[in-house]
Amino acid sequence: AQSVTQLGSHVSVSEGALVLLRCNYSSSVPPYLFWYVQYPNQGLQLLLKYTSAATLVKGINGFEAEFKKSETSFHLTKPSAHMSDAAEYFCAVSPNSGGYQKVTFGTGTKLQVIP
Amino acid sequence: KAGVTQTPRYLIKTRGQQVTLSCSPISGHRSVSWYQQTPGQGLQFLFEYFSETQRNKGNFPGRFSGRQFSNSRSEMNVSTLELGDSALYLCASSPGLAGGQDTQYFGPGTRLTVL
Repeated sequence: AQSVTQLGSHVSVSEGALVLLRCNYSSSVPPYLFWYVQYPNQGLQLLLKYTSAATLVKGINGFEAEFKKSETSFHLTKPSAHMSDAAEYFCAVSPNSGGYQKVTFGTGTKLQVIP
Repeated sequence: KAGVTQTPRYLIKTRGQQVTLSCSPISGHRSVSWYQQTPGQGLQFLFEYFSETQRNKGNFPGRFSGRQFSNSRSEMNVSTLELGDSALYLCASSPGLAGGQDTQYFGPGTRLTVL
């Protein structure tokens, strides 16, 4: 069975500081990994997706994530936080076969950006 | 391309009533999935429809049902509402050709409150 753990339900950073949101997964096979962002009263928007093509994945809004198999991690980073980055972020893992019922979402990390 | 739309955005119902939520996917997408999001349980998969057929199903009681029309629009119905059904219901669409590995595009959700 697969699982995903997001460390830290709340993270605060100063505007302009590095954003680091942690995601660790467990999977018996190389998975697909996703990061989504959710703004208040909105749906999820895909930030980036790992499909084994490259370990460093660049996404929208300046975010990127690095797949580290040895650490079973897929942490999300952004060099400089902007006020508009304040939102909730979800990591998700999907096996490389099967339907959406097999996708596991993390519990989310709320990012606060302090001016 | 227009995004995924969901109607209504907000609903207030009382226990025992039933409710129908609607989702219009991105043009050309044949897969529509439904999720329930609550603070306690996070994101949980309800079911997926592809070409008017339920393709995958999560672990929800039979009170939760859905259907998909020939134009790929989907509806979700919840009968005999319970207080615990209060949640944000998200719809997501995708081309549907790569199972759970396909990128899903989420709608803004319908906020259901059961009194």
